[in-house]
Amino acid sequence: ETGVTQTPRHLVMGMTNKKSLKCEQHLGHNAMYWYKQSAKKPLELMFVYNFKEQTENNSVPSRFSPECPNSSHLFLHLHTLQPEDSALYLCASSPMGGLDTQYFGPGTRLTVL
Amino acid sequence: AQSVTQLGSHVSVSEGALVLLRCNYSSSVPPYLFWYVQYPNQGLQLLLKYTSAATLVKGINGFEAEFKKSETSFHLTKPSAHMSDAAEYFCAVSPTGTASKLTFGTGTRLQVTL
Repeated sequence: ETGVTQTPRHLVMGMTNKKSLKCEQHLGHNAMYWYKQSAKKPLELMFVYNFKEQTENNSVPSRFSPECPNSSHLFLHLHTLQPEDSALYLCASSPMGGLDTQYFGPGTRLTVL
Repeated sequence: AQSVTQLGSHVSVSEGALVLLRCNYSSSVPPYLFWYVQYPNQGLQLLLKYTSAATLVKGINGFEAEFKKSETSFHLTKPSAHMSDAAEYFCAVSPTGTASKLTFGTGTRLQVTL
């Protein structure tokens, strides 16, 4: 397995469910990111982790809870979501959090019913 | 603060024709600028980036972009479109030295016709 992988690729959940998105990078990077991509809106940065420490939280509602147990794995825990949270959630990684290029995973398509 | 405007949410060109995707930026500090491409059901892939070196930047797949400070633009071009270029293209800006804080445009979907 190479690059940045995300599971599941598709997820449908009810508003009362609890689910988690998983991201794994096999690039030896130290920074990881969560983005939200909604139709007709710019890609929105949600969270940034550098060396497992959260360095950016872009005013994301608490129903989204990130977890970074190590530099290779990033999770996004979801609970009591709203239909407007339906979107493509993209994970990315970079060597460091500075000038380096970000490498993106294929995303998880989330639908909240 | 920085922002990016991509003119034209959809662009259609014939195969072999010039591709021009427009991007204008706003930044209070010298910017770093990026173009990413997203193919269907895939994540974003970096095409090219400007980091204050040469103003004409060459990327992958025959794409290039020119940084024009006077016009606050970073338009993406390719001399001859190929069917495989059909995808969504995103321009992004970040303050100098912090490529991790990317601000993206809304994207331009490129259609290539025979």
